[in-house]
Amino acid sequence: NAGVTQTPKFQVLKTGQSMTLQCAQDMNHNSMYWYRQDPGMGLRLIYYSASEGTTDKGEVPNGYNVSRLNKREFSLRLESAAPSQTSVYFCASSEIVRSTEAFFGQGTRLTVV
Amino acid sequence: QKEVEQNSGPLSVPEGAIASLNCTYSDRGSQSFFWYRQYSGKSPELIMFIYSNGDKEDGRFTAQLNKASQYVSLLIRDSQPSDSATYLCAAHTGTASKLTFGTGTRLQVTL
Repeated sequence: NAGVTQTPKFQVLKTGQSMTLQCAQDMNHNSMYWYRQDPGMGLRLIYYSASEGTTDKGEVPNGYNVSRLNKREFSLRLESAAPSQTSVYFCASSEIVRSTEAFFGQGTRLTVV
Repeated sequence: QKEVEQNSGPLSVPEGAIASLNCTYSDRGSQSFFWYRQYSGKSPELIMFIYSNGDKEDGRFTAQLNKASQYVSLLIRDSQPSDSATYLCAAHTGTASKLTFGTGTRLQVTL
């Protein structure tokens, strides 16, 4: 039972490079989320997807794009990486009922130089 | 204004004392509230959730919700050094399926 799996775990990019962070869940959850975490900033919502085929902007969407490929997978793309995007990225999934917790992946530590 | 606000701390309490962590939220459409614990370098893990006004107890933890005041709190009784972590408050807006976190409160339990 893998839960939420993120790849890669670590990545170093040069400014201007692009990359896609992958996330997959095996819990049949409808909702999926991408967060970034910076020191002292908590978890800031980048994008979320309430269900397959829908995506919405969160608090800090600029510089990112997402794709809800199917119910299991939700990817985050950086088209032109900037040093300000150096962060730890977490993917999470949950159900759309009020008492269901969100399950987190192990995080991706991204450094943009 | 952030949708979920927390004092960043650190909050320092002696071992065996009660730690009180507070959170306010701005979206009255928020229906459920969660407390997560995060150790350094790790993913957040759920401690408790609450969606009805009042108190909810689970072992050493008690969550409190006051929707009129838009206030959520977490009490940790008999605090242990292993409770030292960052505690994240989250609000779930059911209609939008949006889960928003506060900045977290760092708790230090001293010997």
